[in-house]
Amino acid sequence: ETGVTQSPTHLIKTRGQQVTLRCSSQSGHNTVSWYQQALGQGPQFIFQYYREEENGRGNFPPRFSGLQFPNYSSELNVNALELDDSALYLCASTPGGGRTDTQYFGPGTRLTVL
Amino acid sequence: KNEVEQSPQNLTAQEGEFITINCSYSVGISALHWLQQHPGGGIVSLFMLSSGKKKHGRLIATINIQEKHSSLHITASHPRDSAVYICAAPDRGAQKLVFGQGTRLTINP
Repeated sequence: ETGVTQSPTHLIKTRGQQVTLRCSSQSGHNTVSWYQQALGQGPQFIFQYYREEENGRGNFPPRFSGLQFPNYSSELNVNALELDDSALYLCASTPGGGRTDTQYFGPGTRLTVL
Repeated sequence: KNEVEQSPQNLTAQEGEFITINCSYSVGISALHWLQQHPGGGIVSLFMLSSGKKKHGRLIATINIQEKHSSLHITASHPRDSAVYICAAPDRGAQKLVFGQGTRLTINP
């Protein structure tokens, strides 16, 4: 039990639609990172938020966007869904700046795009 | 850009065997993470280490910063250890972790 929750657990969308995934971090965790994990692959970094500001971004197009809220929750939004967006989406929170802190992962949201 | 490589990609062993999973990375780092992912997706952080060795129960992680190499060992393996084990290292200059592809471990009774 990491104290990090994600919703929904599973989601099915069609191409071109938009989706919002949610993450609730542990209280006091100022940093949240989002990852995409395709089947059989390791997670790929999408972006990170620190105190409600984007603090780093991976090689993902602008249709992947995010928000972080003062109550330690965050969102990942994906517009104009493509088939290749089908993956497990993970959020992870840390108390501090992120990369050398223990990361607390949520259980993930499995997105299927048809 | 930090590249992280794991070996083997798949490992099947009998209950009780000693397991070793290896991780190599290309860029000097300050800390390396070992993670466990069970079917269904949930990831648990096992270790974060910057030097030497850490032990937690039957799990042991070692790191050699100079050789840019880390190993995860499981002693007296058990079927419940079956999972994907992933190492991750920070990307130099960037606020992110770079993950290996994972090692799928299956322990048969």
